[in-house]
Amino acid sequence: NAGVTQTPKFQVLKTGQSMTLQCAQDMNHNSMYWYRQDPGMGLRLIYYSASEGTTDKGEVPNGYNVSRLNKREFSLRLESAAPSQTSVYFCASSEEGGVTYGYTFGSGTRLTVV
Amino acid sequence: AQRVTQPEKLLSVFKGAPVELKCNYSYSGSPELFWYVQYSRQRLQLLLRHISRESIKGFTADLNKGETSFHLKKPFAQEEDSAMYYCALNLGTSYGKLTFGQGTILTVHP
Repeated sequence: NAGVTQTPKFQVLKTGQSMTLQCAQDMNHNSMYWYRQDPGMGLRLIYYSASEGTTDKGEVPNGYNVSRLNKREFSLRLESAAPSQTSVYFCASSEEGGVTYGYTFGSGTRLTVV
Repeated sequence: AQRVTQPEKLLSVFKGAPVELKCNYSYSGSPELFWYVQYSRQRLQLLLRHISRESIKGFTADLNKGETSFHLKKPFAQEEDSAMYYCALNLGTSYGKLTFGQGTILTVHP
């Protein structure tokens, strides 16, 4: 049981380059989320998808786009990377009915933009 | 706006000492609160949910609505408790959009 799988684990980009972070879950969860983790800032929500076919902005959506490809997959795209997007990115999913049973997190993607 | 505050970025204790990680929240409704933990080189995982009133790995947390706090406590810290701890708040939406605090790095010295 893989849970939530994120790829890649590490990435270095040059300013202005684009890339897509992939996330897939095999737990049949309806809701999926993208967070970024920065020192002293905690985890901040970038985008979320309450259910297949819907996406909404979180706290820090600027510079990002998302796609809920199907129930399993939720990708995060950086169209033109900036050094301020250097961070660790986490994907998470939760069961229908809310987070009462908690999020399941991926292992994270460490992104450096130079 | 919802806010979760963890006032201590770093917390150091010795093995066997009591430990308390503070969490205060700002929300006028009925909150759902959680503690998540991230051990070194591991992914974030759920530690506690306030609604379950459970004790996990010796940790407990009580929701105090009057003080709007959800502090995490353990009477006797162990070295393996060293980790990053996050307090998180759900506003009760059905899909569960969590707001996290800034995190506290706990170090338990031998």
